[in-house]
This record gives sequence, C-alpha cells and structure tokens, in this order.
Amino acid sequence: GAVVSQHPSRVICKSGTSVKIECRSLDFQATTMFWYRQFPKQSLMLMATSNEGSKATYEQGVEKDKFLINHASLTLSTLTVTSAHPEDSSFYICSAQTGGTDTQYFGPGTRLTVL
Amino acid sequence: GDSVTQMEGPVTLSEEAFLTINCTYTATGYPSLFWYVQYPGEGLQLLLKATKADDKGSNKGFEATYRKETTSFHLEKGSVQVSDSAVYFCAQKPQGAQKLVFGQGTRLTINP
Repeated sequence: GAVVSQHPSRVICKSGTSVKIECRSLDFQATTMFWYRQFPKQSLMLMATSNEGSKATYEQGVEKDKFLINHASLTLSTLTVTSAHPEDSSFYICSAQTGGTDTQYFGPGTRLTVL
Repeated sequence: GDSVTQMEGPVTLSEEAFLTINCTYTATGYPSLFWYVQYPGEGLQLLLKATKADDKGSNKGFEATYRKETTSFHLEKGSVQVSDSAVYFCAQKPQGAQKLVFGQGTRLTINP
C-alpha cells in the first residue's frame, strides 16, 4: 500500500517551454501533497505544500508564478514549470500524506533537463 | 529554526560490519523523527520513525532511538549487507507542521 507515482520519469525540453509533472497517490487519498527539488548529491529542498482544494503554500524563495501547483483531487497533484530555463534542470520529487498521519510517501521522482 | 544535521558521507563499509549514521536535530518543540532510504534509481522510502522521546523505531535490522536529551536519532545496524548500499536521509517533522525538514543525506556503500 501507500504507492505514489510520478509521470513522466524523465523529460527533456527546450528553454522557454513549459513542462507539467504529475503526482498520483494510487491506493490512498492524499489530503496533502508536497513538492521537493533535489540537486545532485544534495538533500531535498521543499518547494511547496499543497492541500487538496486549496492554493499551495510556497517556501521562501520559490517563485509561485514559475512553479505552478494544482491539487484538484485527493489523488492527483501537478507541478508545472513555466518558461523553463537550464537552471531549472533538477530532480523533482513529490510526496503524499493522508489526513491524521505524519508519514509522507514519496514518488520516484522526475528528472527534468532543460536545454 | 528547525534543522537536521547528518554525519557527512560517503561511508564505505565491508559486509557484516556495524553501521552507525549520526543524526542530530534542532527544534523548538517536540518533532517526529524519521529515517528515509533512497536506493539507486528509486524514490525515497520510509525506513523507520519515532514520534516521542525514548521511542525506538526499527525496520529491516535498522534501529534508531529518539533521544531528547542529546537531540539525536542515530541510525544503527548490527551487520550490514551489500543490498543496504543507498543514501540515507534523517528528517524531522516539526511539532504542529506538515512539512519534513531533511538532513543532507549520507551515501552508504557496502563492499562484499
């Protein structure tokens, strides 16, 4: 149980284009989803917290107009990187949590490369 | 603020060696503490957790005890295997918060 999937697993795009990453909880309802960014050989940096049906809460320094997060249902959240640039190249990871627990279940991550 | 500091890696051990990965935290309240493991090419998996002082989390031969007096949550295993090679992350969930705060991760390599 508690499986989280991400799609796509890797994506390559041209500078200036937008990319959407999907995060799904497959066998539970995720009242809260989180989006992280992981740089090579570094830790996870929380970008935003998303509660179903509400606007996402962004961490300091994360541009909300560049990283659009939608959490329209209890099993799906999306992260759209708008007007991507090479510095946005990274590993993006989502996690999901159900109400009443403090355990996050992580997706396998999406490798974004912006050329 | 709330933070997590882990033992710097990489750590390389021989099979059947004893493992300790140190983790300390700073927190304003009483956090929950976690160890996550990231195997090569995979996402993070919860390894174990503890939610209050003196709790011991355990899984797959790994153990960690929530020590409030030393603000620590060190990960231990008595006899490591090659399959334990991975990156290990210590994390806290601050009291009253939804988010996790991660340490920098420790890469562990076990040689046969």
